[in-house]
Amino acid sequence: KAGVTQTPRYLIKTRGQQVTLSCSPISGHRSVSWYQQTPGQGLQFLFEYFSETQRNKGNFPGRFSGRQFSNSRSEMNVSTLELGDSALYLCASSAGQRNTEAFFGQGTRLTVV
Amino acid sequence: DAKTTQPPSMDCAEGRAANLPCNHSTISGNEYVYWYRQIHSQGPQYIIHGLKNNETNEMASLIITEDRKSSTLILPHATLRDTAVYYCIVRVTSGNTGKLIFGQGTTLQVKP
Repeated sequence: KAGVTQTPRYLIKTRGQQVTLSCSPISGHRSVSWYQQTPGQGLQFLFEYFSETQRNKGNFPGRFSGRQFSNSRSEMNVSTLELGDSALYLCASSAGQRNTEAFFGQGTRLTVV
Repeated sequence: DAKTTQPPSMDCAEGRAANLPCNHSTISGNEYVYWYRQIHSQGPQYIIHGLKNNETNEMASLIITEDRKSSTLILPHATLRDTAVYYCIVRVTSGNTGKLIFGQGTTLQVKP
């Protein structure tokens, strides 16, 4: 069974631009969560989608948004990029039940210049 | 607002057991304890999780105290490839979903 796939793996953008990152969960998984990892703040929860609905949201500005499609694939978008948005963005998928484990992708390394 | 406390770093000799402690004194009755590890900027790797009973799988054992306020992850025979940052997480759940709140983790250095 294929793991969680995130594309692209690396990305360089300019301040003010917007970016869209993609995550394909493990087949059969309906929950997709997104995390941001920076050296200063560590791993922080962005949001979670389950069956195309946002179920949880972290403490990030409205420039960060996401969505989930009917096939469970998810995208996250960051608009008006700032230098501080440079980070490793990680996606995790799970079956969605209360006590099931989440599996992470390898992440997208975003650099804002 | 991590709900867990871990030592920032630990060393372990190769071939010996690595015992990684975690405090989660404010854990609620229906919250699970999860352990993940991350090897140098790769995605975190799931290790094990439990509610109140001790758990064991092919990677590790999880010992949870009776009052559930702390737990220990045990890697029975540490290898150099076990060098990583280990995260102890209390999974906050709402309905059927949940988010993982990561703390700073413990950097485990396995030495030859």
